[in-house]
Amino acid sequence: EVVLTQSPGTLSLSPGERATLSCRASQSISTNYLAWYQQRPGQGPRLLMYGTSTRATGIPERFSGSGSGTDFTLTISRLEPDDFAVYYCQQYDTSPLTFGGGTKVETK
Amino acid sequence: QVQLQESGPGLVRPSQTLSLTCTVSGGFSSSASYYWTWIRQPAGRGLEWIGRVYLTGSTDYNPSLRSRVSISIDTSKNQFSLRLTSVTAADTAVYYCARDHGRRYDPSTRAYYYDGLDVWGQGTTVTVSS
Repeated sequence: EVVLTQSPGTLSLSPGERATLSCRASQSISTNYLAWYQQRPGQGPRLLMYGTSTRATGIPERFSGSGSGTDFTLTISRLEPDDFAVYYCQQYDTSPLTFGGGTKVETK
Repeated sequence: QVQLQESGPGLVRPSQTLSLTCTVSGGFSSSASYYWTWIRQPAGRGLEWIGRVYLTGSTDYNPSLRSRVSISIDTSKNQFSLRLTSVTAADTAVYYCARDHGRRYDPSTRAYYYDGLDVWGQGTTVTVSS
């Protein structure tokens, strides 16, 4: 199966700062099959991005995705209070569908 | 607007069978091309895909759980269900149901795309303990 490794495990930042989250795959995956999710405490995950760089419905423009091959990035241009959460990357290029271990974005 | 809601026992004894149901408000008719998925998350840990079912009843399972898992669908009740047999403490987790776009083909680009898991339930906690 495709293993997704996210880094860093925790990102300590202040509101207004830029967040850069990394997701590395154990083998090359198509950009068409990489998605990102946000999970706030006590809530289920929410789809942020699919196809590496397409924002899901209602997701603000401060969220952007990029990457190809084995290296993918989620960027939050200016952190707002609601953005402090855990973020997961996910692939479905190869079955089984797998998730990364998550990056927690916490308030510094 | 499709919404999902998980239901089922919060406590299951070791070696017994875990059974959960996901009710799809809004029904399946407006979501004819989707897959219906189960995912779990042990406390403080990441997400694990369990498997999915299509409207036809065809299924895909995570190989790590395939020998113990069964997912079924009842379109007349707007529900799909999860059964996990021979549970242990390692199966203690929050269980989510979700809607999966699956792969779609775009004839204009002659390529397949995956649009993610776009609707999730709130999750239900299942504890395996005697």
